[in-house]
Amino acid sequence: DAGVIQSPRHEVTEMGQEVTLRCKPISGHNSLFWYRQTMMRGLELLIYFNNNVPIDDSGMPEDRFSAKMPNASFSTLKIQPSEPRDSAVYFCASSLGGLGLSNQPQHFGDGTRLSIL
Amino acid sequence: ELKVEQNPLFLSMQEGKNYTIYCNYSTTSDRLYWYRQDPGKSLESLFVLLSNGAVKQEGRLMASLDTKARLSTLHITAAVHDLSATYFCAVDNFNKFYFGSGTKLNVKP
Repeated sequence: DAGVIQSPRHEVTEMGQEVTLRCKPISGHNSLFWYRQTMMRGLELLIYFNNNVPIDDSGMPEDRFSAKMPNASFSTLKIQPSEPRDSAVYFCASSLGGLGLSNQPQHFGDGTRLSIL
Repeated sequence: ELKVEQNPLFLSMQEGKNYTIYCNYSTTSDRLYWYRQDPGKSLESLFVLLSNGAVKQEGRLMASLDTKARLSTLHITAAVHDLSATYFCAVDNFNKFYFGSGTKLNVKP
């Protein structure tokens, strides 16, 4: 079975450019999560969707970050304009059931390694 | 904000030895997760612990949960080099999901 699919795997771009990260969750999963991983801050939950609806976006660092989930099989995380401090690995994960409600683990994609020059 | 603390952060051990990784969290939660991450790779789910006293075992790894003490342990028995990775615990609490800092385990042949 296909796991969580993220694209691109690597992205290198210049400061100020718009960056769009994409995620296809596991079919049938109704919760989707975006995380950022850095050496300094570890793994941080940015936003959590349940049934395509954003439930908690308090982890989104700034207004430059936005995320959408137009349907059950696709989500995007956009950074506009990008800054060097946004450089990190961004993971998408999906699960069956929502936070606090489910006994299922989250399944992670391979991540997007983002470098902002 | 819920805090999840792991210790140790780094662990170097010889093959064949036993050791325990600890995960403390600061507020009530009935769900605790353990994940493994190899360098440059994604996270892989190891265990989901859902109730006080829960114990799960897979191979040389055994995880337990004490919700009253807000403590989970990941015990490694007779370590082998293939267990070298970073291990994270995580807790969900009211629509938020918090990861510990991770324990980087290096098992030396």
